This record gives sequence, C-alpha cells and structure tokens, in this order.
Amino acid sequence: AQSVTQLGSHVSVSEGALVLLRCNYSSSVPPYLFWYVQYPNQGLQLLLKYTTGATLVKGINGFEAEFKKSETSFHLTKPSAHMSDAAEYFCAVSVRGSSNTGKLIFGQGTTLQVKP
Amino acid sequence: NAGVTQTPKFRVLKTGQSMTLLCAQDMNHEYMYWYRQDPGMGLRLIHYSVGEGTTAKGEVPDGYNVSRLKKQNFLLGLESAAPSQTSVYFCASKLPGVGELFFGEGSRLTVL
Repeated sequence: AQSVTQLGSHVSVSEGALVLLRCNYSSSVPPYLFWYVQYPNQGLQLLLKYTTGATLVKGINGFEAEFKKSETSFHLTKPSAHMSDAAEYFCAVSVRGSSNTGKLIFGQGTTLQVKP
Repeated sequence: NAGVTQTPKFRVLKTGQSMTLLCAQDMNHEYMYWYRQDPGMGLRLIHYSVGEGTTAKGEVPDGYNVSRLKKQNFLLGLESAAPSQTSVYFCASKLPGVGELFFGEGSRLTVL
C-alpha cells in the first residue's frame, strides 16, 4: 500500500529565507508525485507534479521539487519566501500504470508560516 | 468559470439526521472524488467515481453513500450523522490520465 509522510506539521521561516518542506513516500514502484497548496478557507490548488522525465520539477509561484528515487523523497523548495506563501501544503501520490484511477493519497499537511 | 461547486458550504446537523452534499462540475470531467479533511490527517478519500453510474469505496467509506447519476454531479450522503463525521468535505474532479485534480471550496459540516 502507498503512503506519504510529511516531516513537520508546522514550518516557520522569515520572509526572504529558503523554504524546505519535506515529503517521503512509500510505494512498491515509484508513484506519480504531487504538491498541492491550500490557502485559508479555500480548496487545494496544484503547485507541481512529477510523472516522468526530469527529476527536478518547477511549479507555480517559484516553487520546485526534486524526485529522488533512492531516498523515496519529493521535497518542496523555494529560494526566497514571500508573505503570500503562508498556507498549508500537501504532498500526494498516485499509483502509476493501468490501474490508475486518479485517486490521490495525501500526506498530513505542513503549515508554512512566513514571518516579516 | 465555475469549475467545481459544492453545496451547501456550511451545515450543522444533530446526531442521527441525514443530509446530502452536492458536487457539480462543468469541465466535463470523467473522474470525481469526495475527500474529508481533518486536522493533522490530511485529506482522506471517502468514495470516488470513474464515470457516470459507477462508484467505488475509498479509504474511509463507512457511514457515507454516493451516487453519480449524471456525469456532472456527484452526491455524498450521510444517512445517520455522527459527531465523528464533523469535518470539512472536499469534492474534486479530473480527466483520465495524470492530470490536475480540481477541487471545490469545501463544505464544513458540524454534527452535534
């Protein structure tokens, strides 16, 4: 069975500092990998995804993530935090292949706080 | 652009009451999903549908039923609400393949 673990339920950074949100997955074969962001009182929006090809994936709002198969990780980074990045971030996985029904398994979420 | 619309957005129920949450999407998506979001637990899949007239169980289906009579609508029903079903419910939809999952804005349900 697949699972996703996000290390750290809360991360606090100063404006302009590096953002690093950690995600590790467990799966018998490398899954499809996603990061979603949720702003207060809203639904989730896709930040980026990894399906195949280049392991460094760039997303919206300056975020990027790197798929590392050997570490079963898909950490999310942004070089310089902005106040508007304050939100909850979810890592998610989806099974690869013909049995893919598009359903996502989500991590527990990480709340990012950005201090002025 | 409506996207995914959930109704109602807020509801308070008493234990044992029933209700239905409606999800409507105008993007002609085949796949639809109902998730619940609880603090510290992320989103957990309740039920999903890969096409009109089909439904399947997710991780936490107990106490819920669903129907997909029309492609654009996916209904989530609670037959006898329990306090443990207090949560924020999200509907989502997508096309087949590895595409983006589009979410509604959520429905906050409180069961007293």
